Amino acid sequence: GGIITQTPKFLIGQEGQKLTLKCQQNFNHDTMYWYRQDSGKGLRLIYYSITENDLQKGDLSEGYDASREKKSSFSLTVTSAQKNEMAVFLCASSIAEGWGAETLYFGSGTRLTVL
Amino acid sequence: QQKVQQSPESLTVSEGAMASLNCTFSDRSSDNFRWYRQHSGKGLEVLVSIFSDGEKEEGSFTAHLNRASLHVFLHIREPQPSDSALYLCAVMSNYNVLYFGSGTKLTVEP
Repeated sequence: GGIITQTPKFLIGQEGQKLTLKCQQNFNHDTMYWYRQDSGKGLRLIYYSITENDLQKGDLSEGYDASREKKSSFSLTVTSAQKNEMAVFLCASSIAEGWGAETLYFGSGTRLTVL
Repeated sequence: QQKVQQSPESLTVSEGAMASLNCTFSDRSSDNFRWYRQHSGKGLEVLVSIFSDGEKEEGSFTAHLNRASLHVFLHIREPQPSDSALYLCAVMSNYNVLYFGSGTKLTVEP
């Protein structure tokens, strides 16, 4: 079995600060995703990547950058933290095709607080 | 772009009474739907996945898909207080991207 590791688990930043969240997976999955979840709400797609060095924008990409320099890692940067960005950021991964392709594995999240 | 909406935003039922949650989506060609549950402060738990019109049962959870009307429902049979949680509908699109609804907060009263 594999695991998705998100670091840090808790991130506290100042308004206007640039902040980076990291995600590592050892499933050897092709596709990785970043979602944001506000308290008590659904998940919104920020970015996804179907292979190394690929980036695709989701519905919520404005204000964020992403990087997929290795197949196993996918990082997300909040370019300028705003108070309304207090949320949990979830990373996920899946294989591209074949048996099990439709299963997404989620990390445990990074909880962002902006002061 | 897939749009997914859920109703109601919150629902309170008595223990043992059927709970019904509604989800609408925008792309009639979609063929991969799932319902998740999330207890407060916890991760996502897949309850049931459905890929064709009709019903799919997993334990006390039944998903009902009607693509013509762009609806997928979740019925919870004899819910318990431990079923109180946020319920999320998700529709899968290209590259296995999941588009989520905003959720229904279910409270089951003893």
